[in-house]
Amino acid sequence: EVQLVESGGGLVQPGRSLRLSCTASGFTFDDYAMHWVRQAPGKGLEWVSAISWNSAGIGYADSVKGRFTISRDNAKNTLYLQMNSLRTEDTAFYFCARDIEDDFPNYFDSWGQGTLVTVSS
Amino acid sequence: QIVLTQSPSASASLGASVKLTCTLSSGHSSYAIAWHQQQPEKGPRFLMKLNSDGSHNRGDGIPDRFSGSSSGTERYLIISSLQSEDEADYYCQTWATGIHVVFGGGTKLTVL
Repeated sequence: EVQLVESGGGLVQPGRSLRLSCTASGFTFDDYAMHWVRQAPGKGLEWVSAISWNSAGIGYADSVKGRFTISRDNAKNTLYLQMNSLRTEDTAFYFCARDIEDDFPNYFDSWGQGTLVTVSS
Repeated sequence: QIVLTQSPSASASLGASVKLTCTLSSGHSSYAIAWHQQQPEKGPRFLMKLNSDGSHNRGDGIPDRFSGSSSGTERYLIISSLQSEDEADYYCQTWATGIHVVFGGGTKLTVL
């Protein structure tokens, strides 16, 4: 069974940093590209970032470009999102999702349960 | 730029059928989309990929009560024999090189 488990969320002050993790199991992690998607409370889904299977391809939404960094460690079956210079508008649930291919973009066929990031003073 | 438009809400009775619509912006009638379901307080779940010709591939474990069809720039999710657990938010998603990933605003389905 495919499982994606996010962690690392919490309350952080504006301007500070946070690193999210997504631990994968039940499939061969390095066969797939991976994504981060976020959802502000009560709002819709917003794509954040993606990374290809070998980290050669990386993409970001304009809203986070230059502040967030996606990475992965295939030996640890883990996807990361380093979030710097956080803003109040970054407050959201952050989901990791599996692409159907080893490169992006495509659609997602598995999602995690999400981790909540709250940016507030 | 690709835009996906969804009605904010829909409702239908228990046991009935409902058709949700996702409209692609003009000039993008050849694009496939994916439908995702998000039940309250849960992460999204992939339902199906829907092609421009109406062919679709459901995700693992998705019952055949969920189907899709297409017409021009419109992509439909049809749910038959509505059950209480179908009450959820439904999102369409598309993708393109350079544009990456785009979501519709979501439709909140209420089962009466």
